[in-house]
Amino acid sequence: GQSLEQPSEVTAVEGAIVQINCTYQTSGFYGLSWYQQHDGGAPTFLSYNALDGLEETGRFSSFLSRSDSYGYLLLQELQMKDSASYFCAVEGRRDDKIIFGKGTRLHILP
Amino acid sequence: NAGVTQTPKFQVLKTGQSMTLQCAQDMNHNSMYWYRQDPGMGLRLIYYSASEGTTDKGEVPNGYNVSRLNKREFSLRLESAAPSQTSVYFCAEGQGLDNEQFFGPGTRLTVL
Repeated sequence: GQSLEQPSEVTAVEGAIVQINCTYQTSGFYGLSWYQQHDGGAPTFLSYNALDGLEETGRFSSFLSRSDSYGYLLLQELQMKDSASYFCAVEGRRDDKIIFGKGTRLHILP
Repeated sequence: NAGVTQTPKFQVLKTGQSMTLQCAQDMNHNSMYWYRQDPGMGLRLIYYSASEGTTDKGEVPNGYNVSRLNKREFSLRLESAAPSQTSVYFCAEGQGLDNEQFFGPGTRLTVL
């Protein structure tokens, strides 16, 4: 089977940096994705890692270590609009189902 | 280019009633998915379709059926609704570049 673990909540201050971790257990591994979801909205794609290392997209970066079955999402220069839930998701094989973690609620304090 | 559309946006059913949730995509991707989202449970995969004509069970398929009508459309049917099926249902499609999934706006279903 497949399972993903991520913290349920994280709190940070506006302008700061926050890291959201994700560990996974899967029978196979093709890639790790991150999604953002605001209250009442649909999830939207943020980033994807298939190989070890850091992927940077503006203020957001995502890291993957396949040997550790671990990844994280790094958010820099936090803004109030970044208050949302963040989900990691794993695909075991190409074109296979994608399984999501339970999500991390990010609270940002002014 | 609407991306992923879902109908209806809201629905209230009585226990035992049936209904079909509709999903359509115009991005010409092969894969389509149905998820349900409950508070504190994240997104749980109900069924998915890797290509036209194929469907596979996800994590929570019991009580649901799906039809991949063509490449664009993927419907989810509740044959006999139960209160435990009260949830927000999201349809998604992919794979775009970097394995991206695009989600529809969701259907908020309440079963009384």
